[in-house]
Amino acid sequence: GNSVTQMEGPVTLSEEAFLTINCTYTATGYPSLFWYVQYPGEGLQLLLKATKADDKGSNKGFEATYRKETTSFHLEKGSVQVSDSAVYFCALIRRGGGSEKLVFGKGTKLTVNP
Amino acid sequence: GAVVSQHPSRVICKSGTSVKIECRSLDFQATTMFWYRQFPKKSLMLMATSNEGSKATYEQGVEKDKFLINHASLTLSTLTVTSAHPEDSSFYICSARDPWTSGRMNEQFFGPGTRLTVL
Repeated sequence: GNSVTQMEGPVTLSEEAFLTINCTYTATGYPSLFWYVQYPGEGLQLLLKATKADDKGSNKGFEATYRKETTSFHLEKGSVQVSDSAVYFCALIRRGGGSEKLVFGKGTKLTVNP
Repeated sequence: GAVVSQHPSRVICKSGTSVKIECRSLDFQATTMFWYRQFPKKSLMLMATSNEGSKATYEQGVEKDKFLINHASLTLSTLTVTSAHPEDSSFYICSARDPWTSGRMNEQFFGPGTRLTVL
């Protein structure tokens, strides 16, 4: 079936450190891939997305590249800020039965200290 | 941007009672809304998909008589947990899709979630 596996958290970094959150997926066909972010007390927000192999999604300094050969969509940021502290979810959309459904990873909590 | 609200944000109820959670799209019309359940340290699990004016489509293993979903208008969907029990305690999240802005990506806009605790 379709599934998403992301690295277990929590992740604690100092400000300006480099961030990588690993995400791999299992899917039939060619899913679209997403990273969502959930700030404390808020709903999930779309951070970035990619629809096909080798696409790079980017937003707010975050990047992720759709790697079909390794079935991965790792999230990276070169220099994190305290305001990046949140829970990050990797997800894919699987298509079937006439509907499109998001499949999420378990989430990775990131804490950035000053 | 597209905003989705949920009410209440937190609810505590006694076992055996029913609880209604509302999900509203504030600045767009949502033909499709989704209900998710999130367990601690686990991913969001899709419970059901609701389309305005029609019956909800439930995921395998989700009791439709237990979790009643109504999507009576383009801006409101409700989830009613009937005869709630402690094992129903969870974080419930809704999302909505705006067909005019989601485009090919079919982006979903999420509410802030509702924490249900059943005593």
